[in-house]
Amino acid sequence: AQKITQTQPGMFVQEKEAVTLDCTYDTSDPSYGLFWYKQPSSGEMIFLIYQGSYDQQNATEGRYSLNFQKARKSANLVISASQLGDSAMYFCAMRVIQGAQKLVFGQGTRLTINP
Amino acid sequence: EPEVTQTPSHQVTQMGQEVILRCVPISNHLYFYWYRQILGQKVEFLVSFYNNEISEKSEIFDDQFSVERPDGSNFTLKIRSTKLEDSAMYFCASSPDAFYEQYFGPGTRLTVT
Repeated sequence: AQKITQTQPGMFVQEKEAVTLDCTYDTSDPSYGLFWYKQPSSGEMIFLIYQGSYDQQNATEGRYSLNFQKARKSANLVISASQLGDSAMYFCAMRVIQGAQKLVFGQGTRLTINP
Repeated sequence: EPEVTQTPSHQVTQMGQEVILRCVPISNHLYFYWYRQILGQKVEFLVSFYNNEISEKSEIFDDQFSVERPDGSNFTLKIRSTKLEDSAMYFCASSPDAFYEQYFGPGTRLTVT
């Protein structure tokens, strides 16, 4: 079975600072994908970034980067130069590349950016 | 940019009533999913659908739930006899294949009274 753990229920960061949101995962499958989604107060789920288990380099998408440490089974999201609009709930998720490829989500981290 | 749409955005129903939540996935996607999120909690997988049949379902997806893709574009989730604990946000998602991200719809907030 797959499991995602996000140990930070809430984070408070000053605007323009970088922030790291932690995510650890557990799976016995060798092929998997790791995802981060943002959920603002309006409720929609916005895809941010993806890392495949065989990718050699850490994924980056604009201000988002994923610090992938396979041996430690961690996939932390780094947001550089945080903005007020980054305030939201952030979910880490995993998808195993077998079967139905469902997403398994963590509990989420509520990020608040202070001006 | 193509997107997943869901209707209605909010549905209020009485306990014991049937509800149908509707989704229009992105047109060239092959994998379809329903998830739910009880207020303040994490997103939970309900069911996946591929090649016109259920490929996997969770423990939550009991006999009260069913899914259909009636016309090649819509993807519906039916709850036959709603319970108070079915109150949640229901998300539809679709994906072109197993390796890409899943694109989520805006969700339907279901309130059972």
